Amino acid sequence: DAKTTQPPSMDCAEGRAANLPCNHSTISGNEYVYWYRQIHSQGPQYIIHGLKNNETNEMASLIITEDRKSSTLILPHATLRDTAVYYCIVRAPTGANSKLTFGKGITLSVRP
Amino acid sequence: DAGVTQSPTHLIKTRGQHVTLRCSPISGHKSVSWYQQVLGQGPQFIFQYYEKEERGRGNFPDRFSARQFPNYSSELNVNALLLGDSALYLCASSLQGAETQYFGPGTRLLVL
Repeated sequence: DAKTTQPPSMDCAEGRAANLPCNHSTISGNEYVYWYRQIHSQGPQYIIHGLKNNETNEMASLIITEDRKSSTLILPHATLRDTAVYYCIVRAPTGANSKLTFGKGITLSVRP
Repeated sequence: DAGVTQSPTHLIKTRGQHVTLRCSPISGHKSVSWYQQVLGQGPQFIFQYYEKEERGRGNFPDRFSARQFPNYSSELNVNALLLGDSALYLCASSLQGAETQYFGPGTRLLVL
């Protein structure tokens, strides 16, 4: 079972920031938080991951709370092409548990 | 550089038949993982291979098997197809298994 909970859906206006929440209250100390997204019927696309510190790349920012029990993925200027299912995944870095366990994700709809 | 490639893109089979799906990882990646995604659900882990050895197996019946070749490409085989095997089959590659996984576009299998 997935170790994360996400709301089923949210929307935001084009050009505005999209803040996607994720709860992972049972995360272990060595587990990373990963975000992927999947645009209709395509393969999941890696976005970003982090352990403790906030992370930023060209696609998004990841904010992890100090107690690591929740995180937020931020798309700073959402476009229509960002409409997708976003998956928050907790993943161990090594061993048999390095597989990705996907939940149902959150469907982000960006409106014009 | 080319990403993960999968073939074929689409496939139609009938119940009881056998199917072989193929995956070529990103150049330099030595680990391949397979996932099954049925409509409306997140991807589910099937297998992970590293250096031709099985590293992990998900909760799938023995009808599902896989192997990895010396060039790190991989095949997923499914015997005695059932209607419920209709899904998008995804391949992901990573450097050695525990790092970030990058997904291919998937093979969509329809069993009639």
